[in-house]
Amino acid sequence: GAVVSQHPSWVICKSGTSVKIECRSLDFQATTMFWYRQFPKQSLMLMATSNEGSKATYEQGVEKDKFLINHASLTLSTLTVTSAHPEDSSFYICSATTPSGRALEQYFGPGTRLTVT
Amino acid sequence: GIQVEQSPPDLILQEGANSTLRCNFSDSVNNLQWFHQNPWGQLINLFYIPSGTKQNGRLSATTVATERYSLLYISSSQTTDSGVYFCAGGGRGGADGLTFGKGTHLIIQP
Repeated sequence: GAVVSQHPSWVICKSGTSVKIECRSLDFQATTMFWYRQFPKQSLMLMATSNEGSKATYEQGVEKDKFLINHASLTLSTLTVTSAHPEDSSFYICSATTPSGRALEQYFGPGTRLTVT
Repeated sequence: GIQVEQSPPDLILQEGANSTLRCNFSDSVNNLQWFHQNPWGQLINLFYIPSGTKQNGRLSATTVATERYSLLYISSSQTTDSGVYFCAGGGRGGADGLTFGKGTHLIIQP
């Protein structure tokens, strides 16, 4: 149980284009999903918290107009990187919490590797 | 926000050895997790352990919440244990994103 998927697993896009990444909780409903970013050989950094049906909360320094987050249902959150630039190249990972059982534990997706050329 | 310090940053051991990884927190946390990141980047949940002790096979973890630290023990290491181990904590439970430490890079040599 508690499986989280991400799509795509990797994507290459040209500078200036937009890219959408999907995060799905496959076997549970997630009231809250999180988006993290990891640069090579570094740790994960929280970008934003996504609650179903409400606006996302962004961490300090993360541009909300550049990283658009939509949490339209209890099983799906999307991250759109708008007008991507090479410095946005990174590993993006989502996580989700299950509201039942061990409610505080977060389960992570496999990540999406974005390369902007 | 919460600061998370992990030690050691790097650890090289021979197969069969035991190891202890440590995680210190600057403030109390309600959510504390240990992960192993595999070579493809996937975070594998090892323990959800805001307090107490848990064991899963050769791995065990202890969190002393009052002293704001957690330990991950790996016994009888195998080469497949190699990789990066992260601890992460959150302050308000499920509604809080996790703050990650910088990780411990573990190499188990045959």
